[in-house]
Amino acid sequence: AAGVIQSPRHLIKEKRETATLKCYPIPRHDTVYWYQQGPGQDPQFLISFYEKMQSDKGSIPDRFSAQQFSDYHSELNMSSLELGDSALYFCAPCPLRGLKGPQYEQYFGPGTRLTVT
Amino acid sequence: AQSVAQPEDQVNVAEGNPLTVKCTYSVSGNPYLFWYVQYPNRGLQFLLKYITGDNLVKGSYGFEAEFNKSQTSFHLKKPSALVSDSALYFCAVRDASSGNTGKLIFGQGTTLQVKP
Repeated sequence: AAGVIQSPRHLIKEKRETATLKCYPIPRHDTVYWYQQGPGQDPQFLISFYEKMQSDKGSIPDRFSAQQFSDYHSELNMSSLELGDSALYFCAPCPLRGLKGPQYEQYFGPGTRLTVT
Repeated sequence: AQSVAQPEDQVNVAEGNPLTVKCTYSVSGNPYLFWYVQYPNRGLQFLLKYITGDNLVKGSYGFEAEFNKSQTSFHLKKPSALVSDSALYFCAVRDASSGNTGKLIFGQGTTLQVKP
């Protein structure tokens, strides 16, 4: 979606290395979701934050952690990378408490393609 | 548990013909349903949503979807397909079981191929 920035767009890491993925949302989008999309797969929910607090957790490995900062940007930290972590990672901000009331659609960023070798 | 199913891996239509991409859902409570489109190596673009109200929902790029409660379906439609509509389409439901956290649960995806 216009305005959602994810960096880096591409990342190549070796096994057992660490990676940090960043997401910069559209202003006033107080909620952010992270999804992982493996090759040929549908996106799978990892974790979400609302107002800087973790609000839900999905199938996220213990090796992964995330946080949302005071400026609402978010980071997904991944350690001890495995080959199976190779995927597209999306953040999806959502103005859950939008100016016009709750909105439920999520606006996906362009994604970070992580390749673990 | 909330879930959506897209029964077709691929849909092929000729340019100018109407298209339908099927989606059925299973939810407890009122369904919040969405369609997204994904072009190769790109993020998911929001097309439309059904929260409440009219069963026929209009969205971006001429797409619409019909919510059918009795059939638990939310099929995506377009009256006249364009070659540029060729992409991967995902149906999704908002997981109401998690309260207001609202993560999306996606279907398996349907590849739409529009041929000239």
